[in-house]
Amino acid sequence: DIVMTQSPDSLAVSLGERATMNCKSSQSVLYSSDNNNYLAWYQQKPGQPPKLLIYWASTRESGVPDRFSGSGSGTDFTLTISSLQAEDVAVYYCQQYYGIPYTFGQGTKLEIK
Amino acid sequence: EVQLVESGGGLVQPGGSLRLSCAASGFTFSSYWMHWVRQAPGKGLVWVSRINSDGSGTDYAGSVKGRFTISRDNAKNTLYLQMNSLRAEDTAVYYCATCPKWNDPLDYWGQGTLVTVSS
Repeated sequence: DIVMTQSPDSLAVSLGERATMNCKSSQSVLYSSDNNNYLAWYQQKPGQPPKLLIYWASTRESGVPDRFSGSGSGTDFTLTISSLQAEDVAVYYCQQYYGIPYTFGQGTKLEIK
Repeated sequence: EVQLVESGGGLVQPGGSLRLSCAASGFTFSSYWMHWVRQAPGKGLVWVSRINSDGSGTDYAGSVKGRFTISRDNAKNTLYLQMNSLRAEDTAVYYCATCPKWNDPLDYWGQGTLVTVSS
């Protein structure tokens, strides 16, 4: 199984500041035949299901604000929120869909400082 | 609007069985792969199972293989998860989620249904 490791476990950022979190996979999730990274980011607010934010490591899902961006390739990935808003408080999960079983990171809890 | 509504959760004793359902609407259900993902109380997300669009292909997490069975009824726009030989560690909120095709991200999620395995 591909192990996904996120860092940090929790993060406190001031409103309007940049928030950055990382995700590392135990093996590459870059598929050579299509040159896509099979890596997604989800946001989960308390009491709600996860919501897809980013897929193919850097493609924003429709309707996701452009302050959210994803980057990285191979085994190392980053989710950045350029200017933190109050409604961004949530747990963020990375997930690989390169192979079965799909696996998630343990999550990064984002709070307001 | 895509809607996924899970049902069938509840309290069950260890060793017991439960069948979860996920009623889908707002999209062409028969064209989508479907997944189950679970989340133990206060914990992270764990993938459980997936089924292809016509129901002919399935995959399972190792922890549930041989105990859980995923299936679907495209005429009823409904996904199922039959859970047998339940254990305390199966206690979780179970979410169904859509997936356009194999090895795609999970783009829509239901609200989840809670399964509690306890004596």
